[in-house]
Amino acid sequence: ETGVTQTPRHLVMGMTNKKSLKCEQHLGHNAMYWYKQSAKKPLELMFVYSLEERVENNSVPSRFSPECPNSSHLFLHLHTLQPEDSALYLCASSQLVGQPSTNEKLFFGSGTQLSVL
Amino acid sequence: DAKTTQPPSMDCAEGRAANLPCNHSTISGNEYVYWYRQIHSQGPQYIIHGLKNNETNEMASLIITEDRKSSTLILPHATLRDTAVYYCIVRVALKGNTPLVFGKGTRLSVIA
Repeated sequence: ETGVTQTPRHLVMGMTNKKSLKCEQHLGHNAMYWYKQSAKKPLELMFVYSLEERVENNSVPSRFSPECPNSSHLFLHLHTLQPEDSALYLCASSQLVGQPSTNEKLFFGSGTQLSVL
Repeated sequence: DAKTTQPPSMDCAEGRAANLPCNHSTISGNEYVYWYRQIHSQGPQYIIHGLKNNETNEMASLIITEDRKSSTLILPHATLRDTAVYYCIVRVALKGNTPLVFGKGTRLSVIA
């Protein structure tokens, strides 16, 4: 148990569906992240939220829309996805200490395995 | 771009020490070395990190060469549950939102 919970664990959706992935962290952290892991490829950072503000968007297509309503919750809204978007989507959180912050450790959830048909 | 080089795979007998190497010849003076691992179907898990000195915790030991161009993660008594992909990452810890960049890692197989 890492303190980061992702739901659902598995999701199958058609290309015309709209779905959302949910992430909740119980660690009191102030930064949250979405990563994507495709088969046989390294983890790719998608979005970073620091203190509920999006601070990084790694050229992710607009069919992925993140939302961070508070420091404990992070969503990834999905619409009109393509089969190549099938992947493991991982949420992570960390505590940024100080400014500039140091010694950041990421805590990951178990991920949502997404299949787009 | 990943700034580290790791062997793609390694085997280790159960109960023996697993020594996982990592080359980071272009590391800067203010960059830390981090190790994470990812067990199948789970998210990555933090193991250990260090700057210059060797570090040890309940999971592993990290040995960093004096010139800091390479390091070794040591699992002293590997078990079957240590079978995972191990990632060596270098990053500056000064900017909090500087993301971790994962490479391909080393797939460690612990064999009974």
